Amino acid sequence: EAGVVQSPRYKIIEKKQPVAFWCNPISGHNTLYWYRQNLGQGPELLIRYENEEAVDDSQLPKDRFSAERLKGVDSTLKIQPAELGDSAVYLCASSLGSRTNEQFFGPGTRLTVL
Amino acid sequence: QQPVQSPQAVILREGEDAVINCSSSKALYSVHWYRQKHGEAPVFLMILLKGGEQKGHDKISASFNEKKQQSSLYLTASQLSYSGTYFCGTAYSGGGADGLTFGKGTHLIIQP
Repeated sequence: EAGVVQSPRYKIIEKKQPVAFWCNPISGHNTLYWYRQNLGQGPELLIRYENEEAVDDSQLPKDRFSAERLKGVDSTLKIQPAELGDSAVYLCASSLGSRTNEQFFGPGTRLTVL
Repeated sequence: QQPVQSPQAVILREGEDAVINCSSSKALYSVHWYRQKHGEAPVFLMILLKGGEQKGHDKISASFNEKKQQSSLYLTASQLSYSGTYFCGTAYSGGGADGLTFGKGTHLIIQP
């Protein structure tokens, strides 16, 4: 079974430029998460989707971040414009959304903002 | 609120045992343990639900003390492959699909 797929794996941009990350969850997983992991820290939740609905976006910086999950499968996370402090690894995870809620992570996109 | 992990780092010889703790100031519903190697995605190890259960597979096990709001991960007879950073992720409700709040991690180095 294929795991969570993310692209690109690496992205280097200059500040004020836009950037987008793509995620394809494990087949059949209705719940999708975007996390941000800063160097030396644990992942921090940005947004959670149940199918195509964003049910928890309380920690998403909405002035510059946006996300969508059209058709309840793939998801895109966008930053516009990017700032130096956005440099981090952006991780996508998915789960069945069951009581045990095992979350499986993709390899992440390492973003460097210059 | 972010759970607190201890110790921050530990260095062991192959074959030695390790314990990693995860404490919360808020009532927990579940605790999830992950291991992450440098440059890779976190890998799911196990989940513990409130009720004080204990789980394990192979030489890695974990417990959840609901009274203390604390979970511990036990690594027995450590192997070189156990090296990495261990994170606990916590959920505070039984909604089923909540996002996790992760600790800062415990760096584990296993030396031959």
